[in-house]
Amino acid sequence: GQNIDQPTEMTATEGAIVQINCTYQTSGFNGLFWYQQHAGEAPTFLSYNVLDGLEEKGRFSSFLSRSKGYSYLLLKELQMKDSASYLCAVLPSGNTPLVFGKGTRLSVIA
Amino acid sequence: NAGVTQTPKFRVLKTGQSMTLLCAQDMNHEYMYWYRQDPGMGLRLIHYSVGEGTTAKGEVPDGYNVSRLKKQNFLLGLESAAPSQTSVYFCASRAGQGARTPQHFGDGTRLSIL
Repeated sequence: GQNIDQPTEMTATEGAIVQINCTYQTSGFNGLFWYQQHAGEAPTFLSYNVLDGLEEKGRFSSFLSRSKGYSYLLLKELQMKDSASYLCAVLPSGNTPLVFGKGTRLSVIA
Repeated sequence: NAGVTQTPKFRVLKTGQSMTLLCAQDMNHEYMYWYRQDPGMGLRLIHYSVGEGTTAKGEVPDGYNVSRLKKQNFLLGLESAAPSQTSVYFCASRAGQGARTPQHFGDGTRLSIL
C-alpha cells in the first residue's frame, strides 16, 4: 500500500526556522516532491529529491533518506507569506501517480 | 504562459444535474490528472491519463467519468451530481513519469451541489 504521514498543523515565529517532517511507505520509489499551497489556491511546486541528502533552494531546503523513508522541508527566515499548507508527495515506481500526504498547515506568527 | 487552465472556475449545480469540467494544458505533457480536495482529506486522485486516448481510475473514481480525446485536454464528467461531490477540483499535468518532472496544477474549480 501507499502511505504518507506528515503533521497536520505547525506554528512558528516570523524570522525563525521550521522543519516539516514527512515519512512514507510506498511500493517503489522514484522521487519525493514538496508543494506549497496557499489557502484558496492551487499547489505550487517547491522542490524534489531523488537521491539521499539535502537540496537547497534559497530559504527552502529539502532532505531525503530513502533507507528511512523520511524527508523534511526546512524553511529559514520565516516570513508571514510562508503561512500555507505544505504537501509531501512520493512518486512510486512504474506509471503509478504521485501519492500525496494530507499536508501540513503552517501558521507564521509575529 | 497559460500552463494548465481549468474551466469553469466556479459552478453551482442541483442534485441530479450533469456537467463537464474541462482541463487544457499547453505544455505538451503526456500525463494528466484530476483530483478533488476536501477539508481534512488532502488531495485525492479521481482519474488520470498517461497519454492521448488512455484513462485509468484513481483512488475515488465512483460517480465520475473522464475522456482524453486530445493530448492537451482532459475532461471530467459528473453524470448525476450528488451533494457528496461538492468539492474543489484540481487538474494537473506532467511531462512524463521521470522523477525530475514536477506536476503542474490548474487554479481549481469550486463546485457546489445543492
